[in-house]
Amino acid sequence: NAGVTQTPKFRVLKTGQSMTLLCAQDMNHEYMYWYRQDPGMGLRLIHYSVGEGTTAKGEVPDGYNVSRLKKQNFLLGLESAAPSQTSVYFCASSYPGGTANEQYFGPGTRLTVT
Amino acid sequence: DAKTTQPPSMDCAEGRAANLPCNHSTISGNEYVYWYRQIHSQGPQYIIHGLKNNETNEMASLIITEDRKSSTLILPHATLRDTAVYYCIVRVATYGSGNTGKLIFGQGTTLQVKP
Repeated sequence: NAGVTQTPKFRVLKTGQSMTLLCAQDMNHEYMYWYRQDPGMGLRLIHYSVGEGTTAKGEVPDGYNVSRLKKQNFLLGLESAAPSQTSVYFCASSYPGGTANEQYFGPGTRLTVT
Repeated sequence: DAKTTQPPSMDCAEGRAANLPCNHSTISGNEYVYWYRQIHSQGPQYIIHGLKNNETNEMASLIITEDRKSSTLILPHATLRDTAVYYCIVRVATYGSGNTGKLIFGQGTTLQVKP
């Protein structure tokens, strides 16, 4: 199993450009999450999904959109990138069973907006 | 979800036990304590979780006080590879009823294991 993978690993954008980050998981997890992490800070939840075709806002959703057309994929879109969106983006997935509810994280995408 | 308080940084000698404290004085009866760690900008990794009893797994032990207002993560024999940021998170364990399993991260404790 590859676990959680993220594409791309690195990206540099100019202000106003758009892009889509792809998260894929092969663990048949129902729940998926997108977080961002700024230097010296903990992760903050952007959007999440509790199942195929469903999405919801997290703590910091402004400037981002998401889609979950397939259970294994969760896409994060930036329609018009801003320098404030320079960050490391992490995707995670989890299975809603038991008490661990362990979230499995991807390796991250490092995005710089100039 | 209850808020947690952790020291910003700690040092530990290699081979010694690392004891990482966490305060969660507003924890509710149905909230669990979870620990994750993040090694050098990698994605966070689950370590352990517990409700009120002490827990142990292959990675660590979790000691929760009787009043559940604080806990300690113990790495019994710290190695250089345990150098990481450790996050203590409190939340309801079960899904459903509006709980989506999302994690609220604070700034964590940066543990530096020294040779």
